[in-house]
Amino acid sequence: DQQVKQNSPSLSVQEGRISILNCDYTNSMFDYFLWYKKYPAEGPTFLISISSIKDKNEDGRFTVFLNKSAKHLSLHIVPSQPGDSAVYFCAASWIFIGGTSYGKLTFGQGTILTVHP
Amino acid sequence: EAGVAQSPRYKIIEKRQSVAFWCNPISGHATLYWYQQILGQGPKLLIQFQNNGVVDDSQLPKDRFSAERLKGVDSTLKIQPAKLEDSAVYLCASSPRSTGSGANVLTFGAGSRLTVL
Repeated sequence: DQQVKQNSPSLSVQEGRISILNCDYTNSMFDYFLWYKKYPAEGPTFLISISSIKDKNEDGRFTVFLNKSAKHLSLHIVPSQPGDSAVYFCAASWIFIGGTSYGKLTFGQGTILTVHP
Repeated sequence: EAGVAQSPRYKIIEKRQSVAFWCNPISGHATLYWYQQILGQGPKLLIQFQNNGVVDDSQLPKDRFSAERLKGVDSTLKIQPAKLEDSAVYLCASSPRSTGSGANVLTFGAGSRLTVL
Protein backbone atom coordinates (compact mmCIF):
# COMPACT_ATOMS: atom_id res chain seq x y z
CA ASP A 1 0.00 0.00 0.00
CA GLN A 2 1.67 3.18 -1.25
CA GLN A 3 0.66 5.79 1.31
CA VAL A 4 2.71 8.58 -0.30
CA LYS A 5 2.69 8.86 -4.08
CA GLN A 6 4.59 10.99 -6.53
CA ASN A 7 2.86 10.23 -9.79
CA SER A 8 5.29 12.04 -12.05
CA PRO A 9 8.53 10.05 -12.42
CA SER A 10 10.23 12.97 -14.15
CA LEU A 11 9.89 16.67 -14.90
CA SER A 12 11.84 18.79 -17.35
CA VAL A 13 11.94 22.58 -16.97
CA GLN A 14 13.77 25.48 -18.58
CA GLU A 15 16.14 27.51 -16.43
CA GLY A 16 14.40 30.51 -14.89
CA ARG A 17 10.92 28.98 -15.11
CA ILE A 18 8.87 27.50 -12.29
CA SER A 19 9.18 23.83 -11.31
CA ILE A 20 6.15 22.26 -9.65
CA LEU A 21 6.52 18.85 -8.05
CA ASN A 22 3.43 17.11 -6.74
CA CYS A 23 2.77 14.58 -4.00
CA ASP A 24 -0.40 12.84 -2.81
CA TYR A 25 -0.96 10.90 0.38
CA THR A 26 -3.68 8.59 1.60
CA ASN A 27 -3.10 8.34 5.35
CA SER A 28 -5.09 11.10 7.09
CA MET A 29 -2.92 10.59 10.19
CA PHE A 30 0.02 12.25 8.46
CA ASP A 31 0.53 15.73 9.86
CA TYR A 32 4.09 16.67 8.98
CA PHE A 33 5.50 16.72 5.48
CA LEU A 34 8.99 17.16 4.11
CA TRP A 35 10.79 17.42 0.81
CA TYR A 36 14.22 15.91 0.35
CA LYS A 37 16.56 16.38 -2.58
CA LYS A 38 18.98 13.69 -3.72
CA TYR A 39 21.96 13.98 -6.03
CA PRO A 40 23.51 10.82 -7.55
CA ALA A 41 25.75 8.88 -5.17
CA GLU A 42 24.70 11.06 -2.23
CA GLY A 43 22.16 10.64 0.51
CA PRO A 44 18.91 12.64 0.51
CA THR A 45 19.25 16.14 1.96
CA PHE A 46 16.47 18.02 3.70
CA LEU A 47 14.97 20.85 1.69
CA ILE A 48 11.81 22.20 3.30
CA SER A 49 8.97 21.02 5.51
CA ILE A 50 5.43 21.95 6.49
CA SER A 51 3.20 21.14 9.41
CA SER A 52 -0.46 20.31 8.88
CA ILE A 53 -1.48 23.44 10.77
CA LYS A 54 -0.15 25.51 7.86
CA ASP A 55 -1.00 25.57 4.19
CA LYS A 56 2.17 27.23 2.95
CA ASN A 57 5.81 27.45 3.92
CA GLU A 58 8.42 29.43 2.04
CA ASP A 59 12.21 29.33 2.10
CA GLY A 60 13.94 31.39 -0.55
CA ARG A 61 13.18 29.95 -3.96
CA PHE A 62 11.32 26.99 -2.47
CA THR A 63 7.68 27.01 -1.39
CA VAL A 64 5.64 24.06 -0.21
CA PHE A 65 1.85 24.13 -0.37
CA LEU A 66 -0.37 21.76 1.58
CA ASN A 67 -4.01 21.01 0.75
CA LYS A 68 -5.23 18.79 3.57
CA SER A 69 -8.72 18.26 2.21
CA ALA A 70 -7.25 16.95 -1.05
CA LYS A 71 -4.38 15.17 0.73
CA HIS A 72 -2.03 16.86 -1.67
CA LEU A 73 1.16 18.84 -1.38
CA SER A 74 3.37 20.51 -3.92
CA LEU A 75 6.83 21.99 -4.08
CA HIS A 76 7.38 25.11 -6.15
CA ILE A 77 10.87 26.16 -7.18
CA VAL A 78 11.10 29.68 -8.60
CA PRO A 79 13.23 30.43 -10.49
CA SER A 80 14.58 27.00 -11.38
CA GLN A 81 18.35 26.64 -11.77
CA PRO A 82 20.42 23.88 -13.40
CA GLY A 83 21.82 23.02 -9.96
CA ASP A 84 18.31 22.08 -8.88
CA SER A 85 18.49 19.03 -11.16
CA ALA A 86 18.11 16.08 -8.79
CA VAL A 87 15.62 13.53 -7.51
CA TYR A 88 13.03 15.05 -5.20
CA PHE A 89 11.33 12.93 -2.56
CA CYS A 90 8.19 13.82 -0.71
CA ALA A 91 7.96 12.34 2.80
CA ALA A 92 5.32 12.27 5.50
CA SER A 93 5.20 11.57 9.20
CA TRP A 94 2.70 11.72 12.02
CA ILE A 95 2.69 12.47 15.67
CA PHE A 96 0.86 10.53 18.29
CA ILE A 97 0.99 10.44 22.03
CA GLY A 98 4.28 8.92 23.06
CA GLY A 99 6.20 10.56 20.26
CA THR A 100 7.79 7.42 18.91
CA SER A 101 6.63 8.17 15.38
CA TYR A 102 9.16 10.96 14.97
CA GLY A 103 11.64 10.27 12.22
CA LYS A 104 9.56 7.44 10.80
CA LEU A 105 9.22 8.97 7.41
CA THR A 106 7.14 7.43 4.65
CA PHE A 107 8.62 8.42 1.31
CA GLY A 108 7.17 8.73 -2.16
CA GLN A 109 8.91 7.16 -5.15
CA GLY A 110 10.66 10.37 -6.14
CA THR A 111 10.53 12.72 -9.14
CA ILE A 112 13.58 13.35 -11.30
CA LEU A 113 13.81 17.07 -12.01
CA THR A 114 15.95 18.23 -14.91
CA VAL A 115 16.50 21.96 -15.36
CA HIS A 116 17.87 22.85 -18.78
CA PRO A 117 20.12 25.92 -19.24
CA GLU B 1 30.15 19.45 11.37
CA ALA B 2 31.04 16.05 9.95
CA GLY B 3 28.17 14.26 8.24
CA VAL B 4 26.84 10.74 8.66
CA ALA B 5 29.58 8.30 7.65
CA GLN B 6 28.80 4.95 6.08
CA SER B 7 30.91 2.07 4.81
CA PRO B 8 31.40 0.29 2.58
CA ARG B 9 30.01 2.40 -0.23
CA TYR B 10 29.59 -0.58 -2.54
CA LYS B 11 29.34 -4.30 -1.92
CA ILE B 12 28.69 -7.19 -4.31
CA ILE B 13 27.93 -10.63 -2.87
CA GLU B 14 26.41 -13.92 -3.93
CA LYS B 15 23.00 -14.88 -2.60
CA ARG B 16 23.10 -16.70 0.73
CA GLN B 17 26.30 -14.88 1.72
CA SER B 18 26.41 -12.39 4.57
CA VAL B 19 27.22 -8.68 4.60
CA ALA B 20 27.56 -5.97 7.21
CA PHE B 21 27.22 -2.21 6.91
CA TRP B 22 28.57 0.34 9.33
CA CYS B 23 27.29 3.78 10.23
CA ASN B 24 28.72 6.60 12.33
CA PRO B 25 26.10 9.30 12.94
CA ILE B 26 26.65 12.99 13.53
CA SER B 27 28.23 13.53 16.91
CA GLY B 28 25.62 14.06 19.59
CA HIS B 29 22.71 12.75 17.54
CA ALA B 30 20.77 10.42 19.80
CA THR B 31 18.45 8.96 17.21
CA LEU B 32 19.70 6.72 14.40
CA TYR B 33 17.79 5.13 11.55
CA TRP B 34 18.46 2.55 8.85
CA TYR B 35 16.46 2.92 5.65
CA GLN B 36 16.40 0.62 2.62
CA GLN B 37 16.03 2.16 -0.83
CA ILE B 38 15.29 -0.22 -3.66
CA LEU B 39 15.88 1.13 -7.17
CA GLY B 40 12.96 3.25 -8.35
CA GLN B 41 11.41 3.50 -4.89
CA GLY B 42 11.64 5.86 -1.97
CA PRO B 43 13.56 4.94 1.18
CA LYS B 44 11.77 2.60 3.57
CA LEU B 45 12.45 2.55 7.30
CA LEU B 46 14.00 -0.66 8.62
CA ILE B 47 14.89 0.20 12.20
CA GLN B 48 15.06 3.17 14.56
CA PHE B 49 17.37 3.49 17.58
CA GLN B 50 17.17 5.96 20.44
CA ASN B 51 20.64 5.98 22.01
CA ASN B 52 21.44 2.25 22.13
CA GLY B 53 17.85 1.04 22.43
CA VAL B 54 15.56 -0.08 19.62
CA VAL B 55 12.48 2.14 19.24
CA ASP B 56 10.95 0.44 16.21
CA ASP B 57 12.07 -2.59 14.21
CA SER B 58 8.63 -3.62 12.94
CA GLN B 59 9.74 -3.35 9.29
CA LEU B 60 13.01 -5.25 9.75
CA PRO B 61 12.96 -8.80 8.26
CA LYS B 62 14.30 -10.35 11.42
CA ASP B 63 14.85 -13.78 9.92
CA ARG B 64 17.80 -12.37 7.97
CA PHE B 65 18.44 -8.80 9.09
CA SER B 66 19.91 -7.68 12.38
CA ALA B 67 21.13 -4.34 13.65
CA GLU B 68 22.79 -3.06 16.75
CA ARG B 69 23.96 0.22 18.16
CA LEU B 70 26.39 -0.52 20.92
CA LYS B 71 27.28 2.37 23.25
CA GLY B 72 24.69 4.55 21.53
CA VAL B 73 27.02 5.80 18.80
CA ASP B 74 28.04 3.62 15.83
CA SER B 75 25.65 1.13 14.35
CA THR B 76 25.95 -1.97 12.18
CA LEU B 77 23.34 -3.56 9.96
CA LYS B 78 23.85 -7.19 9.02
CA ILE B 79 22.15 -9.36 6.42
CA GLN B 80 22.56 -13.13 6.66
CA PRO B 81 21.79 -14.90 4.40
CA ALA B 82 21.26 -12.37 1.62
CA LYS B 83 18.57 -12.76 -1.02
CA LEU B 84 18.39 -11.28 -4.51
CA GLU B 85 15.64 -8.89 -3.38
CA ASP B 86 17.98 -7.38 -0.78
CA SER B 87 19.79 -5.53 -3.58
CA ALA B 88 19.33 -1.90 -2.57
CA VAL B 89 21.00 1.14 -1.12
CA TYR B 90 21.10 1.06 2.68
CA LEU B 91 20.88 4.55 4.09
CA CYS B 92 21.80 5.50 7.62
CA ALA B 93 20.34 8.69 9.05
CA SER B 94 20.49 10.50 12.35
CA SER B 95 18.58 13.20 14.16
CA PRO B 96 19.51 15.32 17.16
CA ARG B 97 16.10 15.16 18.71
CA SER B 98 13.73 12.40 19.64
CA THR B 99 10.62 14.54 19.80
CA GLY B 100 9.25 17.65 18.17
CA SER B 101 9.01 18.46 14.48
CA GLY B 102 12.80 18.81 14.32
CA ALA B 103 13.06 15.09 14.97
CA ASN B 104 11.68 14.54 11.50
CA VAL B 105 14.55 16.40 9.86
CA LEU B 106 16.97 13.57 9.32
CA THR B 107 20.54 13.86 8.06
CA PHE B 108 21.34 10.97 5.74
CA GLY B 109 24.63 9.36 4.87
CA ALA B 110 25.62 8.66 1.27
CA GLY B 111 24.47 5.06 1.61
CA SER B 112 25.89 1.60 1.02
CA ARG B 113 24.90 0.06 -2.30
CA LEU B 114 24.42 -3.71 -2.11
CA THR B 115 24.20 -5.95 -5.16
CA VAL B 116 23.23 -9.57 -4.55
CA LEU B 117 23.99 -11.92 -7.47
